[in-house]
Amino acid sequence: ETGVTQTPRHLVMGMTNKKSLKCEQHLGHNAMYWYKQSAKKPLELMFVYSLEERVENNSVPSRFSPECPNSSHLFLHLHTLQPEDSALYLCASRGTGGLGEQFFGPGTRLTVL
Amino acid sequence: GQQLNQSPQSMFIQEGEDVSMNCTSSSIFNTWLWYKQEPGEGPVLLIALYKAGELTSNGRLTAQFGITRKDSFLNISASIPSDVGIYFCAGSWSKAGGTSYGKLTFGQGTILTVHP
Repeated sequence: ETGVTQTPRHLVMGMTNKKSLKCEQHLGHNAMYWYKQSAKKPLELMFVYSLEERVENNSVPSRFSPECPNSSHLFLHLHTLQPEDSALYLCASRGTGGLGEQFFGPGTRLTVL
Repeated sequence: GQQLNQSPQSMFIQEGEDVSMNCTSSSIFNTWLWYKQEPGEGPVLLIALYKAGELTSNGRLTAQFGITRKDSFLNISASIPSDVGIYFCAGSWSKAGGTSYGKLTFGQGTILTVHP
């Protein structure tokens, strides 16, 4: 497996469910990002982890809870979501030597009923 | 905060035509990136630009980092049906020893449709 992978690719959940999104990068990078992509809006940065430490949280509601157990894995735990949270959730990674390039996974298409 | 204006929002062209799209920013960047996203997939990096005035090609794609550091453009020559997708520009401002963590500001995207 190469690059950045995300599972599941599609997820349908009710508002009372708890689920988790997983991201894994095989690039040896040490910064990882969660983005939300909604229709007709620019990508919205949600969280940034650098060296497994959360360094940015862009006013994301607490029903989204990230976790970075090591530099290769990133999770987004979901709880009590709203229908407006339906979107494509993208994970990205970047190496310290990079000048800004982020490499994205294929995303998880989330639908909240 | 920083904002990127990307235009046009959408383009409908015939196969073989050339395409041009651009991004302008309210503030300067020291890195400009161009990504392409196909349906059901994440954005894929096409071209990265690191210096004002830089012109870089990747096959039929050419991108330039504007001399003012506030704009960039992407050209696609002789378009083909597989060029269909959404093209995003992104800018980054990173300082050596800084704590920007390589944050990117994205444009709204240009939706490209190519008719055979």
